[in-house]
Amino acid sequence: EVQLVESGGGLVQPGGSLRLSCAASGFTFSSYEMNWVRQAPGKGLEWVSYISSSGSTIYYADSVKGRFTISRDNAKNSLYLQMNSLRAEDTAVYYCASHPLYYWGQGTLVTVSS
Amino acid sequence: QPVLTQPPSASASLGASVTLTCTLSSGYSNYKVDWYQQRPGKGPRFVMRVGTGGIVGSKGDGIPDRFSVLGSGLNRYLTIKNIQEEDESDYHCGADHGSGSNFVVFGGGTKLTVL
Repeated sequence: EVQLVESGGGLVQPGGSLRLSCAASGFTFSSYEMNWVRQAPGKGLEWVSYISSSGSTIYYADSVKGRFTISRDNAKNSLYLQMNSLRAEDTAVYYCASHPLYYWGQGTLVTVSS
Repeated sequence: QPVLTQPPSASASLGASVTLTCTLSSGYSNYKVDWYQQRPGKGPRFVMRVGTGGIVGSKGDGIPDRFSVLGSGLNRYLTIKNIQEEDESDYHCGADHGSGSNFVVFGGGTKLTVL
């Protein structure tokens, strides 16, 4: 069974940092491209970042470019999102998902507030 | 990049059928669209991919036969027949743009209420 389990969310002050993790199991993680997608409270889905299976190709949404960094460790079957200079508008549930977006995690909530 | 437009809400009675629409912006009629179901308080779940020729590939895990898709012009449709209570969800459509800062784009989502 494919499982994606996010962790690392929480309450952080504006300007602060947070690192999200996503543990993958049930499939060959190293063969899959991956994404982070977020959903602000009561809003729709917003794509955040993409990483190729090897990590050699990375894309970011304009809203997070220069502040967020996606990475992966195929030996640990894990995906990461380092989030710096956080803003109130980054408050959302963050999902890790495969690419194509066939498999999704349950999400982790990030709240940016003073 | 394409813009995907969805009506914010839809409703249907138990046992009836409903068709949800995702409309691509002009110039993107060749794009395939993915449908996702999101039950209250849960993460999204892949339903199926649709192009102008209909379904592309396979349905997502556990998606019942009551769910089907069609594509025509700029519109991509998700039809649910014999609606059940568990179908009450937000339905999102999304499309791969292929590269850059709009790698994946989503519609605003449609909230389906089962009456």
